[in-house]
Amino acid sequence: AQSVAQPEDQVNVAEGNPLTVKCTYSVSGNPYLFWYVQYPNRGLQFLLKYITGDNLVKGSYGFEAEFNKSQTSFHLKKPSALVSDSALYFCAVRDIEGSYIPTFGRGTSLIVHP
Amino acid sequence: DSGVTQTPKHLITATGQRVTLRCSPRSGDLSVYWYQQSLDQGLQFLIQYYNGEERAKGNILERFSAQQFPDLHSELNLSSLELGDSALYFCASSVARENTEAFFGQGTRLTVV
Repeated sequence: AQSVAQPEDQVNVAEGNPLTVKCTYSVSGNPYLFWYVQYPNRGLQFLLKYITGDNLVKGSYGFEAEFNKSQTSFHLKKPSALVSDSALYFCAVRDIEGSYIPTFGRGTSLIVHP
Repeated sequence: DSGVTQTPKHLITATGQRVTLRCSPRSGDLSVYWYQQSLDQGLQFLIQYYNGEERAKGNILERFSAQQFPDLHSELNLSSLELGDSALYFCASSVARENTEAFFGQGTRLTVV
């Protein structure tokens, strides 16, 4: 079985400050991990993924995520937040040896204040 | 623009009715996925088609069905609609059978009254 948890419904951060959106996962084998972003009235957009290799993954719009196997986490980070980063962020996980279909978290609303 | 096209963007219909949602995947993508997004359930995977064949099934109700046509577009049919079916329905596509990076359409907002 595979599951993912986003423990925060909402994250608030001031513009220019670093941001972190948390994600933890559970899989039987090894994980594929993803982050997607959803802007209001839009579909989800792919940000980045971890499949193998370097634990620090760089993605679109200056976002990065760190894979931590011992803590089963894949937190999304950005050094300096922009107001335009305000959106709904989804973490997803897929077991490499299991289902072809990722399971999505419930989403975290990121609000960046000017 | 993801390259995935969904029509219509909005749909309002009455309980008991039947509707069809349409999706055109990105050029070259063989896989199509349907998702339902609601406030209480989050993003739920419904069904996947790959090159015309059903490949994976999620939490899709028996009142719902889908198909993928030879030109790779897909349709999601929702019948005997209930108030609780009101949601945003997304289509996504990917090149391969495995979902390692999917491209989402803008969704169809279905309101059942």
